Order: sequence, then C-alpha cells, then structure tokens
Amino acid sequence: GQQLNQSPQSMFIQEGEDVSMNCTSSSIFNTWLWYKQDPGEGPVLLIALYKAGELTSNGRLTAQFGITRKDSFLNISASIPSDVGIYFCAGRTNAGKSTFGDGTTLTVKP
Amino acid sequence: GAVVSQHPSWVICKSGTSVKIECRSLDFQATTMFWYRQFPKQSLMLMATSNEGSKATYEQGVEKDKFLINHASLTLSTLTVTSAHPEDSSFYICSASDSRSRELFFGEGSRLTVL
Repeated sequence: GQQLNQSPQSMFIQEGEDVSMNCTSSSIFNTWLWYKQDPGEGPVLLIALYKAGELTSNGRLTAQFGITRKDSFLNISASIPSDVGIYFCAGRTNAGKSTFGDGTTLTVKP
Repeated sequence: GAVVSQHPSWVICKSGTSVKIECRSLDFQATTMFWYRQFPKQSLMLMATSNEGSKATYEQGVEKDKFLINHASLTLSTLTVTSAHPEDSSFYICSASDSRSRELFFGEGSRLTVL
C-alpha cells in the first residue's frame, strides 16, 4: 500500500525559531494535507494543498505541494509555546482515503 | 465550521463485551465516513471506509466481523468493536466527507480501554 515517510520524527526547539518538516511518498497523491493533533483529540486541519507546486500560507505556517506530487513540506516561522503538538502530513486520493505520515512531535522551549 | 462529533469520548469495558462508537456529522450530510485507529505515539491507520446505504470497505488486515460498521443515515456511522480484548484498546477516530463540498472533517476521537 501507499506509505508516507515523515521527518523529522521529533524536534526540540527554542521559542522564536523556525521549524521545517516534510513528507515523501512512494506514490502520487491528488491532495496533501497537514494536521496538528493535541493529546487525546482528533487531528485538526492546518493547511490543504490541491495542486502540484502550490504554496499556501496560514498565518505563520507555510506548506508546499511538491511538483512531483510525491512530497510536501510544512514550515512554521517564529515558533511559540502553543505550537507544541504532533504534526501529521496526509496524502489523500480522489476517493477521500487519507494516508498519514508517522508524525513529527514538536516541543518548543520558552 | 463543520463539526463531526464522536460519542463516547472514552469508554472502559470488560474483555468479551462489545462497544459501539458513534460518529455524527452535525451540520452537513456525509455519504462517506472513514474510521481510523491510532495507538499511542503512532500515526492514524485507516480501518475502513463507511458508505451510506451500503457495506463498508475494509482495509487489508482489518477483520470486518470484529469491527462492525453501520452507516444507516447521511449523518451517522457507527463502529462496533465486538468481543473486545485488551489489544483492541486504542484511540478510534472518524472523519466525514461533506457530500457537497467534499471537504473532510475529523471527529474528536474515542478512547477505548478494554480491561
């Protein structure tokens, strides 16, 4: 089946630093999504990307849909303590089935 | 924004009993809903695709007789874990696809603990 490789697995940074994480896939997806999940809750959508090459921002977050449609990255600028959580990338097919990466655990030190 | 509600949020049950988890789309119709399972510190794994009015489509390795899915209406899908065992303890999350916009929304998750 489809697999997503998400890296890094975890990050420990100082408040104010920028963060970058990425996902690569062995197969093509039509949509790339980035979610944040807090403990004990469902994932919350941060950014959705629908076209190859698309670069989208949401506040301090920026994400890009790779040209090959097999990869995506998420950048967080000027991190703050509330950015702490687990970030997941997901590739979605036209049928709506989503395959999730293994997650990046972000810790921000004040 | 659109809301997907799961009930219960958490449940503790004895081994051998069956547990039903509900997933409701509160302000939109969802022809398709998805059920995921998440173990601690791991990613979400798709279990099955629930289609309103028809049988669910299960992912490879997921026992359909163990995890019964019923999508009886356009706003409700249920997952029943039958004869639950401790290894079924997990965080179960549903998502619902808005039939008109095709947007996907996740529920808050349901934590099952089987003693």
